Amino acid sequence: RKEVEQDPGPFNVPEGATVAFNCTYSNSASQSFFWYRQDCRKEPKLLMSVYSSGNEDGRFTAQLNRASQYISLLIRDSKLSDSATYLCVVITGGSYIPTFGRGTSLIVHP
Amino acid sequence: NAGVTQTPKFQVLKTGQSMTLQCAQDMNHNSMYWYRQDPGMGLRLIYYSASEGTTDKGEVPNGYNVSRLNKREFSLRLESAAPSQTSVYFCASSESTGGGDTQYFGPGTRLTVL
Repeated sequence: RKEVEQDPGPFNVPEGATVAFNCTYSNSASQSFFWYRQDCRKEPKLLMSVYSSGNEDGRFTAQLNRASQYISLLIRDSKLSDSATYLCVVITGGSYIPTFGRGTSLIVHP
Repeated sequence: NAGVTQTPKFQVLKTGQSMTLQCAQDMNHNSMYWYRQDPGMGLRLIYYSASEGTTDKGEVPNGYNVSRLNKREFSLRLESAAPSQTSVYFCASSESTGGGDTQYFGPGTRLTVL
């Protein structure tokens, strides 16, 4: 079983929709969590860190559920420009080596 | 600030040829990383350097060597390229490997091995 798993999608949603992605991780010692965004044929860029209490940045909300070992990303009022692949990243305490999920593809259409 | 730069952007090699991918960062970061990204596989860590003078293996180090030339530069060498090394290679840097630091990525090198 891969350490970090994501549904590859694609999630195909209309503009203005709300969409949510989950990412599950297998190592209970995981300590740090992030969402990165990657546009087609571009490098990944940090979207947001995920804090234990959950956090929000504009239309984006990230949550962590340690008991069930998953993180989530909620996008409200989707824009065409949100179309991208969203990568989940988990860092396990002690190793400090980031493990990336395979990404979830989002397509927002008019 | 250029951030993280990588050269070359594209490269085609024949099986058995060697090459070095260059990476440099101007953010005074301590830690640097090399990843490869293949379709359906996500990013996989090849090697990383927690600080100047140290390097460590990641998930897929076989067939690669690295050099942390100084704080700014971290190169990746393929001694004898194989078709299985066809991939997109990303270099990244972060302030440290402390776990909570943002990684900044270069634009990538698209390598094809024939």
